This record gives sequence, structure tokens and C-alpha cells, in this order.
Amino acid sequence: DAKTTQPNSMESNEEEPVHLPCNHSTISGTDYIHWYRQLPSQGPEYVIHGLTSNVNNRMASLAIAEDRKSSTLILHRATLRDAAVYYCILRRGSQGNLIFGKGTKLSVKP
Amino acid sequence: DSGVTQTPKHLITATGQRVTLRCSPRSGDLSVYWYQQSLDQGLQFLIQYYNGEERAKGNILERFSAQQFPDLHSELNLSSLELGDSALYFCASSSRGVAGVDEQFFGPGTRLTVL
Repeated sequence: DAKTTQPNSMESNEEEPVHLPCNHSTISGTDYIHWYRQLPSQGPEYVIHGLTSNVNNRMASLAIAEDRKSSTLILHRATLRDAAVYYCILRRGSQGNLIFGKGTKLSVKP
Repeated sequence: DSGVTQTPKHLITATGQRVTLRCSPRSGDLSVYWYQQSLDQGLQFLIQYYNGEERAKGNILERFSAQQFPDLHSELNLSSLELGDSALYFCASSSRGVAGVDEQFFGPGTRLTVL
């Protein structure tokens, strides 16, 4: 399975944008880029996914590099509730399960 | 609330024992996944069922087994428990469970402590 590399931790100030990077240099053409997050004491939660084009939803935006070897999850205005571990995951088109790495622990300061 | 329920929330048992964890997926979801989260191994995929049939297997020990029933709820059976089996066990569900675009909805987890 293709691997992803994320920083162990990041800090942000409340109400400021946050850019969470993910490198996936061995991504294949059929791999979708998914982001999940896990808030303290909860199960993981879907955030967003994309294949080639940038994507927006109510939670976040996903910016995908043209060569697809990296992507960035953008939280437009961080809130205290966004403090969580964020996981960048590659999924083959035929693959159901998620393969989690260590993720990025995001801290949000008031 | 994801719509996925897991019981029990907490389970404390002794080494060598057997336990059963239960998961009810979101209404209409055909696919159920089981994941284990421990401090040293992180979140690991164990097994997936789709509409009653096993679809994929991950790092699931032979002492562990699962099944999905006709009403689509699933059970994870853990036997001959060891201290190292202490972990959070999450169940997730999705509507199709095949295509890479499926969103998975996770339950709140069952915390298993083996003493």
C-alpha cells in the first residue's frame, strides 16, 4: 500500500486558517486521498476526500498537487473543536478498509 | 452521533477469557469494519464484512473472529485474551464498502481492558 508522511504535530491559533500537509510520493493513479480526524475520546470522523481536483465541503478544503504526490487539508478558520489527530489516507478504488498512519496532532490555542 | 452503535462501552476481563463486542451499523449500511486502536500500534484494520460475507482481512489474530448477521449487525469475538489485547475497538460502517470513495462512519468504540 502506498504510504503517507505527515508532521507529528502542528499548532494553530483559534480563528486562523490551518494548512495540514501530507506527502504521498508513491501514490498510484487509482488511489483516492482521504482525510479523517479523531477528536479526543471519539472514533475517527470523515473529513474530505479527492482524486485529482481540489475539493471543498462544509468542514474543509483539500488541495491536491498537480503531480498528486502531495496534498494539503485546509481548515479555513480553526476552532477549539478542531483540535484532533488528522489522518491522511490513500485508498485504492477497489479497497474498502482504511489504513491509518500516525497522523498529525493539531493543537488549537485560544 | 454517527449512527453506529457499539456495546458495551467498557469491558474489563481477565487473561484467558473470551468476550464479544457488538456493533450495529447505520441504517441501510451494508458494510461493517472492525479496527483496533492501541497505544503502540495505532489504529489497525482487523476485518470487513459486506452484507453478511467476509470481504477483507487485515491484522486480525487467529484468536479473534467476527461475523455479520442477517440484520447486518456484527460481532467481534476475542478469545484466549492476553494483556496485549487491551485496546479500543472501533466498528465502522459504510453503504457500499467497496469503492475507495465510501465514507466510513465510526462508532464510539469499546474499551477492552485485560487484567
